[in-house]
Amino acid sequence: GQQVMQIPQYQHVQEGEDFTTYCNSSTTLSNIQWYKQRPGGHPVFLIQLVKSGEVKKQKRLTFQFGEAKKNSSLHITATQTTDVGTYFCAGPNYGGSQGNLIFGKGTKLSVKP
Amino acid sequence: DTGVSQNPRHKITKRGQNVTFRCDPISEHNRLYWYRQTLGQGPEFLTYFQNEAQLEKSRLLSDRFSAERPKGSFSTLEIQRTEQGDSAMYLCASSLAAGGPVEGTQYFGPGTRLLVL
Repeated sequence: GQQVMQIPQYQHVQEGEDFTTYCNSSTTLSNIQWYKQRPGGHPVFLIQLVKSGEVKKQKRLTFQFGEAKKNSSLHITATQTTDVGTYFCAGPNYGGSQGNLIFGKGTKLSVKP
Repeated sequence: DTGVSQNPRHKITKRGQNVTFRCDPISEHNRLYWYRQTLGQGPEFLTYFQNEAQLEKSRLLSDRFSAERPKGSFSTLEIQRTEQGDSAMYLCASSLAAGGPVEGTQYFGPGTRLLVL
């Protein structure tokens, strides 16, 4: 079945270092979404990418959607302790009707001050 | 607060008991989703509604689970005869159907954490 995979599962960085998480889909996606979940919290929407090769920036966060629309990445420049959490990518589930998302397992980021 | 709300936030129950959770979506959102999340995993889709119609149910949703959205606003998720394997965070999300291939952003509620003893 359709799968969304993320690597790495965990990433430990020193504050100020950069961080990247990668997302790969087994199928071509019409769009990909990124969410952040803080410890004890719920997923919070960060961004949606739609176009092939799209790059979007939010302050220190850079999101990319691959040319083939099967992979995506999130890069954080100069991490801060506020970046701690799990970052999930999610794509539409084509096995079902429109709307529901398939999430990756997430990349858990810890930042050492 | 105009976000998605869920009640209760925590529920501890004994195996075999029934539990019901409630979700109040963002008021103008016509789509409502239920997901389940266990430790170390991403949210897994359970079911979703467009207005009051339940349009899809995952294979994860056994016969012990039922969801309703009677007036197209709030929704309830009931689990009958709970089992220890039902212990998880139950997340509700809502969105405004975008129409066409690009779906509306899903906004998640704080979740209901269920522990079945």
